[in-house]
Amino acid sequence: NAGVTQTPKFQVLKTGQSMTLQCAQDMNHEYMSWYRQDPGMGLRLIHYSVGAGITDQGEVPNGYNVSRSTTEDFPLRLLSAAPSQTSVYFCASSSLSGQGVPLHFGNGTRLTVT
Amino acid sequence: GESVGLHLPTLSVQEGDNSIINCAYSNSASDYFIWYKQESGKGPQFIIDIRSNMDKRQGQRVTVLLNKTVKHLSLQIAATQPGDSAVYFCAEISSFSGGYNKLIFGAGTRLAVHP
Repeated sequence: NAGVTQTPKFQVLKTGQSMTLQCAQDMNHEYMSWYRQDPGMGLRLIHYSVGAGITDQGEVPNGYNVSRSTTEDFPLRLLSAAPSQTSVYFCASSSLSGQGVPLHFGNGTRLTVT
Repeated sequence: GESVGLHLPTLSVQEGDNSIINCAYSNSASDYFIWYKQESGKGPQFIIDIRSNMDKRQGQRVTVLLNKTVKHLSLQIAATQPGDSAVYFCAEISSFSGGYNKLIFGAGTRLAVHP
Protein backbone atom coordinates (compact mmCIF):
# COMPACT_ATOMS: atom_id res chain seq x y z
CA ASN A 1 0.00 0.00 0.00
CA ALA A 2 1.19 3.50 -0.83
CA GLY A 3 -0.76 5.04 2.08
CA VAL A 4 -1.26 8.78 1.69
CA THR A 5 0.40 10.29 -1.38
CA GLN A 6 0.88 14.02 -1.82
CA THR A 7 2.03 15.88 -4.91
CA PRO A 8 3.99 17.97 -5.60
CA LYS A 9 6.69 17.75 -2.92
CA PHE A 10 7.83 21.32 -3.51
CA GLN A 11 6.18 24.33 -5.11
CA VAL A 12 7.04 27.98 -5.53
CA LEU A 13 4.27 30.41 -6.40
CA LYS A 14 4.07 34.11 -6.97
CA THR A 15 1.54 36.16 -5.06
CA GLY A 16 -1.84 35.89 -6.72
CA GLN A 17 -1.21 32.62 -8.53
CA SER A 18 -3.48 29.66 -8.01
CA MET A 19 -2.66 25.99 -7.66
CA THR A 20 -3.97 22.68 -6.41
CA LEU A 21 -2.20 20.42 -3.94
CA GLN A 22 -3.08 16.80 -4.60
CA CYS A 23 -3.75 14.13 -2.01
CA ALA A 24 -4.71 10.51 -2.58
CA GLN A 25 -5.06 7.58 -0.18
CA ASP A 26 -5.49 3.90 -0.97
CA MET A 27 -6.68 2.72 2.45
CA ASN A 28 -10.39 3.33 1.83
CA HIS A 29 -10.44 5.84 4.67
CA GLU A 30 -13.56 7.88 5.11
CA TYR A 31 -11.88 10.78 6.90
CA MET A 32 -9.40 13.02 5.09
CA SER A 33 -7.95 16.34 6.16
CA TRP A 34 -5.45 19.05 5.33
CA TYR A 35 -3.09 20.61 7.85
CA ARG A 36 -0.47 23.30 7.60
CA GLN A 37 2.69 23.26 9.67
CA ASP A 38 4.59 26.42 10.46
CA PRO A 39 7.86 26.81 12.43
CA GLY A 40 7.35 26.44 16.17
CA MET A 41 3.65 25.74 15.84
CA GLY A 42 1.55 22.63 15.99
CA LEU A 43 -0.30 21.31 12.99
CA ARG A 44 -3.35 23.43 12.24
CA LEU A 45 -6.40 22.02 10.52
CA ILE A 46 -7.45 23.75 7.30
CA HIS A 47 -10.33 21.63 5.95
CA TYR A 48 -11.58 18.12 6.45
CA SER A 49 -14.00 15.61 4.96
CA VAL A 50 -15.84 12.66 6.47
CA GLY A 51 -16.77 11.16 3.12
CA ALA A 52 -17.29 11.79 -0.57
CA GLY A 53 -19.35 14.92 -1.14
CA ILE A 54 -18.90 16.17 2.44
CA THR A 55 -16.40 18.84 3.46
CA ASP A 56 -16.11 21.26 6.34
CA GLN A 57 -13.85 24.00 7.61
CA GLY A 58 -11.15 23.56 10.19
CA GLU A 59 -9.26 26.08 12.27
CA VAL A 60 -7.62 28.08 9.43
CA PRO A 61 -9.78 27.71 6.27
CA ASN A 62 -9.46 31.20 4.77
CA GLY A 63 -7.78 31.25 1.36
CA TYR A 64 -8.28 27.54 0.73
CA ASN A 65 -10.94 25.46 -0.97
CA VAL A 66 -11.47 21.71 -1.00
CA SER A 67 -13.72 19.17 -2.65
CA ARG A 68 -14.21 15.42 -2.19
CA SER A 69 -15.63 13.80 -5.28
CA THR A 70 -14.20 10.36 -4.50
CA THR A 71 -13.20 8.49 -1.36
CA GLU A 72 -9.57 8.39 -2.52
CA ASP A 73 -8.86 12.01 -3.44
CA PHE A 74 -8.97 15.25 -1.47
CA PRO A 75 -7.35 18.16 -3.33
CA LEU A 76 -6.60 21.50 -1.68
CA ARG A 77 -6.91 24.60 -3.82
CA LEU A 78 -5.27 27.95 -3.28
CA LEU A 79 -7.25 30.43 -5.34
CA SER A 80 -4.92 33.44 -4.97
CA ALA A 81 -1.71 32.63 -3.15
CA ALA A 82 -0.38 34.97 -0.48
CA PRO A 83 3.02 35.02 1.30
CA SER A 84 1.20 34.08 4.53
CA GLN A 85 0.41 30.74 2.90
CA THR A 86 4.07 29.80 2.77
CA SER A 87 4.09 26.61 4.81
CA VAL A 88 4.38 22.85 4.73
CA TYR A 89 1.05 21.23 3.96
CA PHE A 90 0.11 17.75 5.12
CA CYS A 91 -2.78 15.59 4.07
CA ALA A 92 -3.98 12.95 6.52
CA SER A 93 -6.58 10.22 6.54
CA SER A 94 -8.16 7.78 8.93
CA SER A 95 -10.95 5.29 9.24
CA LEU A 96 -14.04 6.45 11.10
CA SER A 97 -14.95 2.93 12.17
CA GLY A 98 -13.86 1.74 15.59
CA GLN A 99 -11.73 3.80 17.95
CA GLY A 100 -8.08 4.44 18.50
CA VAL A 101 -7.20 4.60 14.86
CA PRO A 102 -4.79 7.51 14.47
CA LEU A 103 -4.33 9.79 11.50
CA HIS A 104 -2.05 8.61 8.70
CA PHE A 105 -0.06 11.44 7.14
CA GLY A 106 1.46 12.00 3.74
CA ASN A 107 5.01 13.34 3.39
CA GLY A 108 3.93 16.90 2.77
CA THR A 109 4.13 19.65 0.18
CA ARG A 110 6.49 22.51 0.91
CA LEU A 111 4.98 25.67 -0.55
CA THR A 112 6.76 29.00 -0.89
CA VAL A 113 4.83 32.08 -1.99
CA THR A 114 6.97 35.03 -3.06
CA GLY B 1 16.92 22.41 5.09
CA GLU B 2 14.12 21.59 7.49
CA SER B 3 12.52 24.74 8.86
CA VAL B 4 9.71 23.21 10.87
CA GLY B 5 11.82 22.52 13.95
CA LEU B 6 13.85 25.73 14.08
CA HIS B 7 12.10 27.18 17.11
CA LEU B 8 11.40 23.99 19.02
CA PRO B 9 12.87 22.94 22.36
CA THR B 10 15.65 20.40 21.86
CA LEU B 11 16.54 17.36 23.90
CA SER B 12 20.09 16.15 23.32
CA VAL B 13 21.00 12.61 24.39
CA GLN B 14 23.85 10.20 23.93
CA GLU B 15 23.30 7.09 21.87
CA GLY B 16 22.26 4.27 24.16
CA ASP B 17 20.78 6.50 26.84
CA ASN B 18 17.08 6.65 27.63
CA SER B 19 15.11 9.69 26.44
CA ILE B 20 12.09 11.28 28.05
CA ILE B 21 10.01 13.73 26.06
CA ASN B 22 7.28 15.64 27.86
CA CYS B 23 3.99 17.12 26.79
CA ALA B 24 1.50 19.20 28.75
CA TYR B 25 -1.97 18.93 27.33
CA SER B 26 -4.61 21.58 27.56
CA ASN B 27 -8.07 20.04 27.67
CA SER B 28 -9.13 18.20 30.80
CA ALA B 29 -11.84 16.50 28.72
CA SER B 30 -9.25 14.91 26.42
CA ASP B 31 -9.31 11.15 26.76
CA TYR B 32 -7.21 9.90 23.87
CA PHE B 33 -3.59 10.83 23.27
CA ILE B 34 -1.17 10.08 20.47
CA TRP B 35 2.57 10.49 20.05
CA TYR B 36 3.93 11.19 16.59
CA LYS B 37 7.49 11.18 15.26
CA GLN B 38 8.42 13.46 12.37
CA GLU B 39 11.70 12.99 10.57
CA SER B 40 13.16 15.70 8.40
CA GLY B 41 11.26 16.06 5.13
CA LYS B 42 8.60 13.53 6.08
CA GLY B 43 5.11 13.50 7.47
CA PRO B 44 4.27 12.67 11.08
CA GLN B 45 4.42 8.96 11.84
CA PHE B 46 2.30 7.29 14.53
CA ILE B 47 4.34 5.90 17.43
CA ILE B 48 1.98 4.99 20.23
CA ASP B 49 -1.34 6.01 21.72
CA ILE B 50 -3.02 5.81 25.11
CA ARG B 51 -6.52 6.23 26.45
CA SER B 52 -7.32 8.05 29.65
CA ASN B 53 -8.36 4.84 31.41
CA MET B 54 -4.69 3.86 31.39
CA ASP B 55 -1.64 5.36 33.13
CA LYS B 56 0.98 3.58 31.09
CA ARG B 57 1.33 1.81 27.80
CA GLN B 58 4.36 0.11 26.35
CA GLY B 59 5.43 -0.50 22.80
CA GLN B 60 8.68 -1.56 21.24
CA ARG B 61 11.35 0.52 23.03
CA VAL B 62 8.77 3.20 23.80
CA THR B 63 6.56 3.81 26.80
CA VAL B 64 3.92 6.48 27.22
CA LEU B 65 2.94 7.68 30.68
CA LEU B 66 -0.20 9.66 31.37
CA ASN B 67 -0.76 11.78 34.48
CA LYS B 68 -4.29 13.09 34.30
CA THR B 69 -4.01 14.96 37.58
CA VAL B 70 -1.50 17.43 36.15
CA LYS B 71 -2.47 16.93 32.50
CA HIS B 72 0.95 15.63 31.56
CA LEU B 73 2.05 13.09 29.01
CA SER B 74 5.52 11.69 28.50
CA LEU B 75 7.20 9.48 25.93
CA GLN B 76 10.11 7.38 27.07
CA ILE B 77 12.46 5.91 24.48
CA ALA B 78 14.78 3.18 25.71
CA ALA B 79 18.34 2.80 24.39
CA THR B 80 18.04 5.79 22.08
CA GLN B 81 19.49 5.28 18.60
CA PRO B 82 20.58 7.75 15.91
CA GLY B 83 17.48 6.79 13.95
CA ASP B 84 15.37 8.20 16.77
CA SER B 85 16.53 11.73 15.93
CA ALA B 86 13.39 13.58 14.92
CA VAL B 87 10.72 15.98 16.13
CA TYR B 88 8.23 14.36 18.50
CA PHE B 89 4.84 15.81 19.28
CA CYS B 90 1.77 14.78 21.14
CA ALA B 91 -1.84 15.13 20.11
CA GLU B 92 -4.97 15.05 22.24
CA ILE B 93 -8.66 14.62 21.58
CA SER B 94 -11.87 14.17 23.46
CA SER B 95 -13.93 11.22 22.24
CA PHE B 96 -16.98 13.36 22.86
CA SER B 97 -15.78 16.03 20.45
CA GLY B 98 -17.29 14.35 17.43
CA GLY B 99 -14.31 13.46 15.27
CA TYR B 100 -10.69 13.84 14.33
CA ASN B 101 -11.30 17.45 13.33
CA LYS B 102 -10.94 18.22 17.02
CA LEU B 103 -7.45 16.70 17.34
CA ILE B 104 -5.10 19.21 19.02
CA PHE B 105 -1.39 18.99 18.26
CA GLY B 106 1.47 20.23 20.40
CA ALA B 107 4.33 22.18 18.84
CA GLY B 108 6.83 19.39 19.38
CA THR B 109 10.27 18.65 20.81
CA ARG B 110 13.35 17.96 18.75
CA LEU B 111 15.34 14.91 19.85
CA ALA B 112 19.01 14.99 18.87
CA VAL B 113 20.94 11.75 19.39
CA HIS B 114 24.72 12.04 19.55
CA PRO B 115 27.11 9.10 19.01
